[in-house]
Amino acid sequence: EPEVTQTPSHQVTQMGQEVILRCVPISNHLYFYWYRQILGQKVEFLVSFYNNEISEKSEIFDDQFSVERPDGSNFTLKIRSTKLEDSAMYFCASSDLRDSTEAFFGQGTRLTVV
Amino acid sequence: AQSVAQPEDQVNVAEGNPLTVKCTYSVSGNPYLFWYVQYPNRGLQFLLKYITGDNLVKGSYGFEAEFNKSQTSFHLKKPSALVSDSALYFCAVRPPSGGYNKLIFGAGTRLAVHP
Repeated sequence: EPEVTQTPSHQVTQMGQEVILRCVPISNHLYFYWYRQILGQKVEFLVSFYNNEISEKSEIFDDQFSVERPDGSNFTLKIRSTKLEDSAMYFCASSDLRDSTEAFFGQGTRLTVV
Repeated sequence: AQSVAQPEDQVNVAEGNPLTVKCTYSVSGNPYLFWYVQYPNRGLQFLLKYITGDNLVKGSYGFEAEFNKSQTSFHLKKPSALVSDSALYFCAVRPPSGGYNKLIFGAGTRLAVHP
């Protein structure tokens, strides 16, 4: 069964450092997303990406965040200068073009900023 | 504002008993509705969805959910709970904005099934 894969599973970084979280979406999917889940809180939408550009972003997704699809398979989330409050589980998801389709989520990357 | 409410932080059920995990939503129009499950140290796994049609939808692992438009609810149910069903359950809605698959999640309900 096809799945979304994320690396690394856990990343520890110092405050102020840049981190890149990586995702390989399902191969025939065209919509890509990042969500985050701060410990004990709800899953929050960050950004959606389609046709090589951001289609929608939340207020959380400020100038410190960027996304990229550098090749035909990877989808990355970069945080330029991490803050303590960026510590969370980050989920990548993908979906196909159908309007009613569900999103498929990766297993997540736990980011810890120290 | 668009939102999803899961009023129970935790639901405790004895194995073999029926279970219900509640979800209500506040979204204009006719949203698509989803349930996801999260096992420890795992990602979100899709369980089922309501798009249109029959108000009772069936999904993975014997789960089903009932859509009630007048009450704006989408409660998750299972006739007979298993210990292995113990996990964190998230209700989510996709607003009918036409375009992209952004999901609005509830806070999650932890289901604990006791032997």
